[in-house]
Amino acid sequence: QVQLVESGGGVVQPGGSLRLSCAASGFTFGSYTLHWVRQAPGKGLEWVTSLSYDGGKQFYADSVKGRFTVSRDNSQNTLYLQMNSLRADDTAIYYCARDRGYSGSSRVPLDYWGQGTLVTVSS
Amino acid sequence: EIVLTQSPGTLSLSPGERATLSCRASQSITSGYLAWYQQKPGQAPRLLIYGASSRATGIPDRFSGSGSGTDFTLTISRLEPEDFAVYYCQQYGSSPTWTFGQGTKVEIK
Repeated sequence: QVQLVESGGGVVQPGGSLRLSCAASGFTFGSYTLHWVRQAPGKGLEWVTSLSYDGGKQFYADSVKGRFTVSRDNSQNTLYLQMNSLRADDTAIYYCARDRGYSGSSRVPLDYWGQGTLVTVSS
Repeated sequence: EIVLTQSPGTLSLSPGERATLSCRASQSITSGYLAWYQQKPGQAPRLLIYGASSRATGIPDRFSGSGSGTDFTLTISRLEPEDFAVYYCQQYGSSPTWTFGQGTKVEIK
């Protein structure tokens, strides 16, 4: 079965860095675009970034552009999120999610999600 | 950036009642690339509806989606106890950057 397991969260000081990982199993990792979505405590969902199946296309929300970098290692079935210059408002649970892509003629978005990893930015 | 506005913020209903949730976009969403997700406390979101009206795998038929352009609706025909949760709409595909609505909480009256 499809599994996505995030890790790497923790407490970091403002201005610091952290790298999150998302280990995938149960599907052909190298065939899918993947996303990071975050959720601040008690708040709604915020899309953060996406990375195409081959790593060739990446997109970012304005709130993280220039500070976060998404990457992947298809040989290790792992997605990464490098977070630099962290701010208090980056505090959130970070989820990775699989973009299903096209199913027949239908475009299907995020069909599998991990359970998330908590990042807390605080001094 | 496409902004999605959901209403109401909270919906208080009883089991067995019908729930109607709204999602309005700041500009037209291409090809109806509008999804709905359900999230329960302590859990990851779950995909319910994609393409504005197609149910995801395993989603009961009491959940239905409709709409086009800038106005979309999620309807739960008869609320079951497990349906009380927060629901988010999301636009995808209209631009490379995706956005979510702020969520509607469906709570037990």
